[in-house]
This record gives sequence, C-alpha cells and structure tokens, in this order.
Amino acid sequence: AQSVAQPEDQVNVAEGNPLTVKCTYSVSGNPYLFWYVQYPNRGLQFLLKYITGDNLVKGSYGFEAEFNKSQTSFHLKKPSALVSDSALYFCAVRPAQGQLTFGSGTQLTVLP
Amino acid sequence: DTAVSQTPKYLVTQMGNDKSIKCEQNLGHDTMYWYKQDSKKFLKIMFSYNNKELIINETVPNRFSPKSPDKAHLNLHINSLELGDSAVYFCASSPSGGGGNTIYFGEGSWLTVV
Repeated sequence: AQSVAQPEDQVNVAEGNPLTVKCTYSVSGNPYLFWYVQYPNRGLQFLLKYITGDNLVKGSYGFEAEFNKSQTSFHLKKPSALVSDSALYFCAVRPAQGQLTFGSGTQLTVLP
Repeated sequence: DTAVSQTPKYLVTQMGNDKSIKCEQNLGHDTMYWYKQDSKKFLKIMFSYNNKELIINETVPNRFSPKSPDKAHLNLHINSLELGDSAVYFCASSPSGGGGNTIYFGEGSWLTVV
C-alpha cells in the first residue's frame, strides 16, 4: 500500500522569502505525485503533478516541485512567498492502478 | 463554470436524521469519488464510481450509500446520522485510466451533526 509523509504540520516563512513544503512517499512501481492546496472553507485545488520526465515540475501560482527518486521525495517550492499563499497544502501519491492517498497536510503561514 | 459542484455547502442536522449531498461534474469525466476530511484535516477516500459502477468502497458504514444516476452525478445519502459523521465531504472527478490523471475536487460540504 502507498503512503505519504509530510513531516511538518506547520511552516512559517516571511513574505518574499523562498518556501519549501516537504513530502516523502512510498509506492510500488512508478509514482504519480500531486500537490493540492486548500484555502479556509474551500475545496482542494490542484497545483501540480509529476508523471514522468523532467524532475522539476512547474505548476499554478508560481509553485514548483522537485521529484527525487533516490530520496523518494517531492518537495513543493516557491522562490518568493506571498501572504496570499497561506493555506493548507497536501501532497498525494497514486500508483498506476489505484487510489489517491494524501499526506496529513502542512499549514503554510506567510508572515507580512 | 464550476467543474465539480456539490450541494449543500453547509448542513447542520440532528442525530438520527437522514440527509443527502448532491454532486455534479461538467468535465466529461468517467470517474467520480467521495472523500471525507475529518476534524484533523485528514483526507480519505470513501467511494469511487466509474461510469455509474461502484469500483471502490472503503470501510465505510453501510449507513452511507452513494448513488450515481449517470456518469456526471454522484450523490451521497447518509442514514441515521451520528455525531461522528460530522466532517467535510468532498466530491471529485477524474478521467478514467491511469494514475497520472488529475482528480478535481468540489468545494466541499460541511456536515455538522448535533
């Protein structure tokens, strides 16, 4: 069975600074990896995904994520954080045939 | 142009009642899902339907019954509501096929059982 770990419940960063939200995964076979964002009282919005190819994936709102197969990681990054990026971020993994499994989420707070 | 829409967004009801949450997607997807988000924000799949056929039924009490009248709709009916059913329920959809297909979520339905 697949699993996702988001080791940080909370990440605080100052506006304008780079941010990283960590994610590691475990899955049989090639992984399909996703990042979603949830704003307060809102649904999950898809940010980006890794299927194959280039290890650096670019997504919505200036976010990107780096796939590292040897470290089984898929960390979310942004070069310059905005206060409006403050939200709950979920990493998720899906095997080729199977269901999407989410991590426990990381609350990102960008301080003005 | 809402892709996955679900109603109601907020629902407060008493223990023992029966309630339904409706979901519709206009993305032309073949697969629809219900996910539950608990008070700790943990997300877990409940059901998955492909072309109106149930393909995933996680360990969910049989008080929860999904119904898919067509592939664009997947409703969730809950009988005899309990306090522990209080959660956010998300409907979602995706193209069928491989695991690389993106799953798109609705805005959620906040259910509070009192």
